[in-house]
Amino acid sequence: DTEVTQTPKHLVMGMTNKKSLKCEQHMGHRAMYWYKQKAKKPPELMFVYSYEKLSINESVPSRFSPECPNSSLLNLHLHALQPEDSALYLCASSQPGLLNTEAFFGQGTRLTVV
Amino acid sequence: GQQLNQSPQSMFIQEGEDVSMNCTSSSIFNTWLWYKQEPGEGPVLLIALYKAGELTSNGRLTAQFGITRKDSFLNISASIPSDVGIYFCAGHTSGGYQKVTFGIGTKLQVIP
Repeated sequence: DTEVTQTPKHLVMGMTNKKSLKCEQHMGHRAMYWYKQKAKKPPELMFVYSYEKLSINESVPSRFSPECPNSSLLNLHLHALQPEDSALYLCASSQPGLLNTEAFFGQGTRLTVV
Repeated sequence: GQQLNQSPQSMFIQEGEDVSMNCTSSSIFNTWLWYKQEPGEGPVLLIALYKAGELTSNGRLTAQFGITRKDSFLNISASIPSDVGIYFCAGHTSGGYQKVTFGIGTKLQVIP
């Protein structure tokens, strides 16, 4: 099983709303990631969790708040977003180490902020 | 953020033709990855390379990890319409987590 599951697949939210994106993997991976992808661009790293601890925050605005409740789950809490935050949000996971460390991606959540 | 130099950025080819795309970096990577992404979907891993000089195949796809560890190429042989998509190279160094750097992507269109 190399599946990373993201919910919801699509989300439309107003600028005053609070919503959450969810990600789940059962591959035993101990590193999980949030990426943001704008149209016709490569994914851009937002956050990295390693062994359930936040390891990297790529200077992401505080209106994005990640959470890693356990080794299988990763959430991204959204609050007071701007229209320019509309994008495809991708979750990924990988196994730490020297080999077989490739990241597997979920199908993404298409977020539209209105 | 940092990006790899991936080329070409787009390709139109006839069905049945072979395709080649490559990536170069100013940094050394321990791992090179090639992903394919279709509209509205997440990137799907095609090939992972871990050793300098390694040549790996996955069906009609072949990729190589450059000997200098700063480049990689992907070949697709006998292209078919379902090969359409955006192909991303990616590189990272190994460790507790992987900060993956992505190329700009190669958009492939196959003309039946």
